[in-house]
Amino acid sequence: GAVVSQHPSRVICKSGTSVKIECRSLDFQATTMFWYRQFPKQSLMLMATSNEGSKATYEQGVEKDKFLINHASLTLSTLTVTSAHPEDSSFYICSASTGRNTEAFFGQGTRLTVV
Amino acid sequence: GDSVTQMEGPVTLSEEACLTINCTYTATGYPSLFWYVQYPGEGLQLLLKATKADDKGSNKGFEATYRKETTSFHLEKGSVQVSDSAVYFCALKVGGGSNYKLTFGKGTLLTVNP
Repeated sequence: GAVVSQHPSRVICKSGTSVKIECRSLDFQATTMFWYRQFPKQSLMLMATSNEGSKATYEQGVEKDKFLINHASLTLSTLTVTSAHPEDSSFYICSASTGRNTEAFFGQGTRLTVV
Repeated sequence: GDSVTQMEGPVTLSEEACLTINCTYTATGYPSLFWYVQYPGEGLQLLLKATKADDKGSNKGFEATYRKETTSFHLEKGSVQVSDSAVYFCALKVGGGSNYKLTFGKGTLLTVNP
């Protein structure tokens, strides 16, 4: 099946710094990528949807200036958590699809800890 | 809005036991329903799906039937294996279009002991 690689798998950063998470589709062109956030014992919450070459669409309540999403190519999307604070600590997961009404493939997730 | 409620875990079973993980949903329109599995250290993988009422999705011995009358999509397996230990997510998608936007349940951790 299609492979989506997410990097890093774990990151610890200091409060106030920015962290970039990469999501790559390794063997297909991902027209659409999705970013989710998962709190312990909670659902995966969709943060934003990004289409290659255009601005991301953010879900209600998600700060677009804090969670910067770039989808500059058909194989790479990045999520940057700017000025991270401890409350941003969470598990972030990306998924990618070809953009047609087809299956989305998931990365393995990134555990972010802000200290 | 759309939502998915699945049974809280963790669930611990012995090998060869029967498994049922309950999942119910609320949705506007006619959703497609999914079960995803996340093995330790890996991303979510699609386990099975059903796109309309009375459809049965099946894969790797797991089954789930789309029940519109009870708005349910319970996951079942007759005989679990240690290798089935993972987190299972029920999810739904409403409508068509080019975006594949999913609403997930909270996930159920299954541990199968030898």
